[in-house]
Amino acid sequence: DAGITQSPRHKVTETGTPVTLRCHQTENHRYMYWYRQDPGHGLRLIHYSYGVKDTDKGEVSDGYSVSRSKTEDFLLTLESATSSQTSVYFCAISAASGTGGGGPFQETQYFGPGTRLLVL
Amino acid sequence: DQQVKQNSPSLSVQEGRISILNCDYTNSMFDYFLWYKKYPAEGPTFLISISSIKDKNEDGRFTVFLNKSAKHLSLHIVPSQPGDSAVYFCAATLPGNNRKLIWGLGTSLAVNP
Repeated sequence: DAGITQSPRHKVTETGTPVTLRCHQTENHRYMYWYRQDPGHGLRLIHYSYGVKDTDKGEVSDGYSVSRSKTEDFLLTLESATSSQTSVYFCAISAASGTGGGGPFQETQYFGPGTRLLVL
Repeated sequence: DQQVKQNSPSLSVQEGRISILNCDYTNSMFDYFLWYKKYPAEGPTFLISISSIKDKNEDGRFTVFLNKSAKHLSLHIVPSQPGDSAVYFCAATLPGNNRKLIWGLGTSLAVNP
């Protein structure tokens, strides 16, 4: 457990409304990520952050923005929700895996429980 | 273009037998490979990883094998248990890439009692 919470866990909204999802971590990790998971597409990276106020786009960033004003919180905003943004959203942090993977020390990603978003 | 490929969308095995999940990749620069397990309505959980300088890593019932010449890795679960039924994702990392993971599309494993 990497101390990651997501809120809300479920949300139903209407097309055209703004939506903000929150990811909160308690262990001061520098790297944070937002993914969406859809059938047939696996996990796709939306945006990520490598520090406070340092963010960058992932592979499916259109229609999404993020903010990170403090280490523990990473916010994902859908400026004007569309039905194509109906999905399950996961937040992740990067932390030491502790196993070394049989090789040099490495970090890996740990995930929050997800937010299920339905846009009507 | 999918750099990490899991060509089997699903796999079914009997309890107690071996489960073998496969993953192919195209980028020879990947330095780590990871396997995640995902249950419905939960976030993915890290399972096991392997460095590109190794060819095997074992953790309890889970073993990952890496064949660099074939750009292929596999996850072996022995013996398989019903609780192993989940979607398994293969992922890889590139050095200096902000620790981003490059994901396969997943394989759904069903372990039948």
